[in-house]
Amino acid sequence: NFLLTQPHSVSASPGKTVTISCTRSSGSIDNNYVHWYQRRPGSAPTNVINDDVKRPSGVSARFSGSIDSSSNSASLTISGLTTEDEADYYCQSYDSVNLSWVFGGGTKVTVL
Amino acid sequence: QVHLVQSGSELKEPGASVKVSCKASGYTFTIFAMHWVRQAPGQGLEWMGWVNTNTGDATYAQGFKGRYVFSLDTSVTTAYLQINGLKAEDTAIYYCVRDGVRGLAAVNWFDPWGQGTLVTVSS
Repeated sequence: NFLLTQPHSVSASPGKTVTISCTRSSGSIDNNYVHWYQRRPGSAPTNVINDDVKRPSGVSARFSGSIDSSSNSASLTISGLTTEDEADYYCQSYDSVNLSWVFGGGTKVTVL
Repeated sequence: QVHLVQSGSELKEPGASVKVSCKASGYTFTIFAMHWVRQAPGQGLEWMGWVNTNTGDATYAQGFKGRYVFSLDTSVTTAYLQINGLKAEDTAIYYCVRDGVRGLAAVNWFDPWGQGTLVTVSS
């Protein structure tokens, strides 16, 4: 199995931009789509980016996803930060060798 | 609108069993895979496995084989997670979550999620 490594936490002031990385330990990040979830305190996770870059209906355009093959990582960028963005964010990808799903360890976003 | 509504919190003693339900509505139950995900206190999300809602076949992730059982009652569009021989380390929030795309390949993003069921194991 591969691992997905995320920073433990990131923070920024309201209105600023944060980027959360998700680095795959082995195999190419391009092999399988990366999906992102937001988990606000006391709530269930919700999908904010799927298939690397797609934003589901109803998700703010301030959320965007990208892939960087050179660093073998995916990223979630949140622009125009507001207090409602304070949450834990998880990346996820499918392990097509072991037929299992892998989650990153999660990143806590704090709006200062 | 698609909804997954889970049963309420449970407090169980070590060695007991628990059965968590996940009632689905707003879509055709048997054409979307259903996954189960665990979040232990202070920990991240952990995929437990998935169930083919058409055949009832269950696939369990490593670490969730043996004491965990996924089942269905398609007549009431409900999925179940049963955990036998509960241990303190089973204390966690358990989520059911639907596969994001119709079909039963179970290789797509997860959406929507149930609200989660807190299972506490303590004597």
